[in-house]
Amino acid sequence: AQTVTQSQPEMSVQEAETVTLSCTYDTSESDYYLFWYKQPPSRQMILVIRQEAYKQQNATENRFSVNFQKAAKSFSLKISDSQLGDAAMYFCAYRTDKLIFGTGTRLQVFP
Amino acid sequence: GAGVSQTPSNKVTEKGKYVELRCDPISGHTALYWYRQSLGQGPEFLIYFQGTGAADDSGLPNDRFFAVRPEGSVSTLKIQRTERGDSAVYLCASSLGASSYNEQFFGPGTRLTVL
Repeated sequence: AQTVTQSQPEMSVQEAETVTLSCTYDTSESDYYLFWYKQPPSRQMILVIRQEAYKQQNATENRFSVNFQKAAKSFSLKISDSQLGDAAMYFCAYRTDKLIFGTGTRLQVFP
Repeated sequence: GAGVSQTPSNKVTEKGKYVELRCDPISGHTALYWYRQSLGQGPEFLIYFQGTGAADDSGLPNDRFFAVRPEGSVSTLKIQRTERGDSAVYLCASSLGASSYNEQFFGPGTRLTVL
């Protein structure tokens, strides 16, 4: 069975600094997708970034980038130049057909 | 265009009652997913539809839970004889198709509280 593990229940960062959120997963599949979602208090899950497992190049979306290590089954999210609006729960997720989520990391951003 | 909408936003019910939760997907999205998010946890898959049919219902916890999508658009999640352990946020998502590369767009969820 596929599992997703986020070992950091909470993280904090100062505005304008960089923070990295960790995620590991377990699967026997070779073709899959990995995602980071942001969930603010409004509950709406918002896609931050996605990575296709067959692509070696790490995905980047503006201030958000990933470090994808397929052999190690690791998929961390780096947020650069953190902003107050980045404060939220962040979920790592794995997908073949349905999404399998980790338990989340609460990110606090301090001014 | 409008995103995924879910009604009601909040639902409070008593143990043993029946509830229905509604999801309106993005127009044209053929795949629709239901997830349940308990307090302090990530969302857990319940069921997904491709068109009108349930393609995978392996996440439904027991036979008190049932979902339908009769016309391939709106879906209703039905919970019979509710229990306190059913209290959670129920999230709905839709996507253009069921392939892994299709992004799932989420609704704001329904918070169900069973007293």
